[in-house]
Amino acid sequence: SYDLTQPPSVSVSPGQTASITCSGNELGYKYVSWYHQKPGQSPILVIYHDNKRPSGIPERFSASNSGNTATLTISGTQAVDEADYYCQVWDNSSWVFGGGTKMTVL
Amino acid sequence: EAQLVESGGGLVQPGGSLKLSCAASGFTFSLSGLHWVRQASGKGLEWVGRIRSKTNDYATAYIASVNGRFTISRDDSKSTAYLQMNSLKTEDTAVYYCATTTIVDDAFDIWGQGTMVTVSS
Repeated sequence: SYDLTQPPSVSVSPGQTASITCSGNELGYKYVSWYHQKPGQSPILVIYHDNKRPSGIPERFSASNSGNTATLTISGTQAVDEADYYCQVWDNSSWVFGGGTKMTVL
Repeated sequence: EAQLVESGGGLVQPGGSLKLSCAASGFTFSLSGLHWVRQASGKGLEWVGRIRSKTNDYATAYIASVNGRFTISRDDSKSTAYLQMNSLKTEDTAVYYCATTTIVDDAFDIWGQGTMVTVSS
């Protein structure tokens, strides 16, 4: 099965730029999606197809994917962005999630 | 507004069965694949399985750990999908979400609120 690796946690100061990585074998050949999830809530799609934002997602969310690493970047991080973030790919008829990254804004 | 609402969660003994429902509204359910994703307490997201649309022969796929125990079905006339869970194990304890892909096939843009399944004696 395909594995996606994320750092367990990242921290960022308000107004700064946060980066969350997601690693996998030849990940650049796959489409990566990103979700954020706040405690007790359902996940929300923030990026699909490597770098596309669904309607309603702020422009401060951007992403890239190349080689073995995809990166979600949050510019001008706000307190409301504090959440768990998950990367996800489709691989061989399965949908695979990374282990998640807890982002703290402090 | 597109919406998914799960129901049917609860407490069940190991070896027991439970059937979850996922009711859709606000989008063309019959044209969309429907997935189930679970999340154990304090853990990450785990894709469980999916059912495709009638156009794609209602094809199903599952993760290995539930294959043969779980069955996904759908009733397009009711805009509802189901997850039949048999031979439940304690490790199946989780919040179960249904989710769908209306933008692209590989990303879940609509999620339900989740329903809790607890497998315990």
